[in-house]
Amino acid sequence: AQKITQTQPGMFVQEKEAVTLDCTYDTSDQSYGLFWYKQPSSGEMIFLIYQGSYDEQNATEGRYSLNFQKARKSANLVISASQLGDSAMYFCAMREHYNTDKLIFGTGTRLQVFP
Amino acid sequence: GAVVSQHPSWVICKSGTSVKIECRSLDFQATTMFWYRQFPKQSLMLMATSNEGSKATYEQGVEKDKFLINHASLTLSTLTVTSAHPEDSSFYICSARVTSGGYEQYFGPGTRLTVT
Repeated sequence: AQKITQTQPGMFVQEKEAVTLDCTYDTSDQSYGLFWYKQPSSGEMIFLIYQGSYDEQNATEGRYSLNFQKARKSANLVISASQLGDSAMYFCAMREHYNTDKLIFGTGTRLQVFP
Repeated sequence: GAVVSQHPSWVICKSGTSVKIECRSLDFQATTMFWYRQFPKQSLMLMATSNEGSKATYEQGVEKDKFLINHASLTLSTLTVTSAHPEDSSFYICSARVTSGGYEQYFGPGTRLTVT
């Protein structure tokens, strides 16, 4: 069974607008962590934001926020005020079993920001 | 933030030869490093977990005799692709977690391997 599902293979957004990238996950663990990474065309994976399963507040990091809905098992990434430099692949990932480090990645969403 | 480097950034080798990829944590110690493989326009797939001073733990379906991993120190892990074939051509990415704690994994810039 797929652990991390990103249903949007591609998204377009106009510069300065907000965009939401969807991510749903599947786990029977109570303790887990959710991550979002950005991968520009150069290939490096850039950490954006993290949400722990017990965190009561939605995580925020600058223009990035994570809309965490635990009951729905969703962890959508919201990028506010999109910039041209935000064009990249975005991967949602989950770390099951809070004390391990293994990350399971979704298939990714390619975001294109246009002027 | 913590920096992870990989060397080489790209490599072309002939079929049947072996190639070694290095992953270094530059400004922190990493007891555990991870090796991922990414095919074009696909997601990252974890290949193995590299543990300093012990054997690597391979994911199901990954040939440990083909993908040799050595984690000789707290700042260096190597992946050797032995007897490479064209189907081994891929983007290989390593990551590391700070030994002293924290949840974040830091990724290297990746190595693009092309086997001709």
